[in-house]
Amino acid sequence: QSVMTQPPSASGTPGQRVTISCSGSSSNIGSKTVHWYQQLPGTAPKLLSFNNNQRPLGVPDRFSGSKSGTSASLAISGLQSEDEADYYCAAWDDSLGGFFAFGTGTKVSVL
Amino acid sequence: QVQLVQSGAEVRKPGASVKVSCKASGYTFTDYNIDWVRQATGQGLEWMGWMDANSGNTGYAQKFQGRVIMTTNTATNTASMELSSLTFEDTAVYYCARGRAQLIDFWGQGTLVTVSS
Repeated sequence: QSVMTQPPSASGTPGQRVTISCSGSSSNIGSKTVHWYQQLPGTAPKLLSFNNNQRPLGVPDRFSGSKSGTSASLAISGLQSEDEADYYCAAWDDSLGGFFAFGTGTKVSVL
Repeated sequence: QVQLVQSGAEVRKPGASVKVSCKASGYTFTDYNIDWVRQATGQGLEWMGWMDANSGNTGYAQKFQGRVIMTTNTATNTASMELSSLTFEDTAVYYCARGRAQLIDFWGQGTLVTVSS
């Protein structure tokens, strides 16, 4: 079971800005850095943002991560049809002996 | 470029074991960990554990302790994950991924494991 909670779905029209939230606790987001992954249908996840707000090479600056306290968020500006995917937040969690925790996932739809 | 290429789909009966392999290229294998993550159909991502490719140290999620074994072969830059005592609930796509400093950055293409009687 996931220890970080995301809304199951989010949507927007092309060009809009969409924000996905990720709610955690002191053992994960509150004390660790947050990462975000994009999973297009039928493919493996891809790293989209790491260490709260860093973008890997090749990821457009339309994607931006942020963190405050025990919550984090991913903003997608200038929404495009190819952004339709599942998005997961993730962070190390120090409870239960330590494990890499994923959020529950958010399906983003482009209307 | 970093690549993680996994072995093909597997079908097993309940109670059996399965071993999935993952061949790494494009980086120094021993500088990173290999993590394993699984995803049941239509479900989210579930982390199973990690292995330090240099030291051989491992860390398994509590849920899988006693049932999973992760290994690496530094001569062939290959990692493997063996899961035993399979049940229907183990049917999922299993991913290997490159990890370090509490971050997973590159993923394999995934291996479908089906548990069916």
